[in-house]
Amino acid sequence: KAGVTQTPRYLIKTRGQQVTLSCSPISGHRSVSWYQQTPGQGLQFLFEYFSETQRNKGNFPGRFSGRQFSNSRSEMNVSTLELGDSALYLCASSLTSGTSYNEQFFGPGTRLTVL
Amino acid sequence: KQEVTQIPAALSVPEGENLVLNCSFTDSAIYNLQWFRQDPGKGLTSLLLIQSSQREQTSGRLNASLDKSSGRSTLYIAASQPGDSATYLCAVRQGGATNKLIFGTGTLLAVQP
Repeated sequence: KAGVTQTPRYLIKTRGQQVTLSCSPISGHRSVSWYQQTPGQGLQFLFEYFSETQRNKGNFPGRFSGRQFSNSRSEMNVSTLELGDSALYLCASSLTSGTSYNEQFFGPGTRLTVL
Repeated sequence: KQEVTQIPAALSVPEGENLVLNCSFTDSAIYNLQWFRQDPGKGLTSLLLIQSSQREQTSGRLNASLDKSSGRSTLYIAASQPGDSATYLCAVRQGGATNKLIFGTGTLLAVQP
């Protein structure tokens, strides 16, 4: 069974540009969550989607947005990039949402560098 | 507000040693706790998931325990190997209609051959 895939793996952008990252969850999984990982802040929750609906949102500015498609694939978009957005963006998939047993599986991440 | 702490921040041990990594959390109202490992520049690999009603879980050389009332979890690694070198992260899920995980800061483990 294929794992969580993320594309692209590496991305270099300049300040002010926008970027779209993609995540394909494990087949059959309907929940996708996004996290940002930086050396200073560690792993921080961005948002979660389940059945094309946003379930929860972390404490990030409105420049960070996401969506989920009917096949459970998800994209996140960051507009007007800032230097501080340089990070490893991780996507996690899970079978369902809101149940007591819910193991989450992470993809390899997209390394975004903003110059 | 839930806070998750991992001690020690870094650990270096000789190959073959048994070791314990610690994770503590401030709010005991959790749904589950998950341990991950992360190799440099890579994603997270799930190691063990402990539901709030469980006391421990085992997988191979790994054993994780959970004491909700004291807000603690430990990850025990038996007979450590150089391939175990990585950053180990614990994460708690608070519950409700969300899968949001709150992560600790991690323990960087180096196993010396």
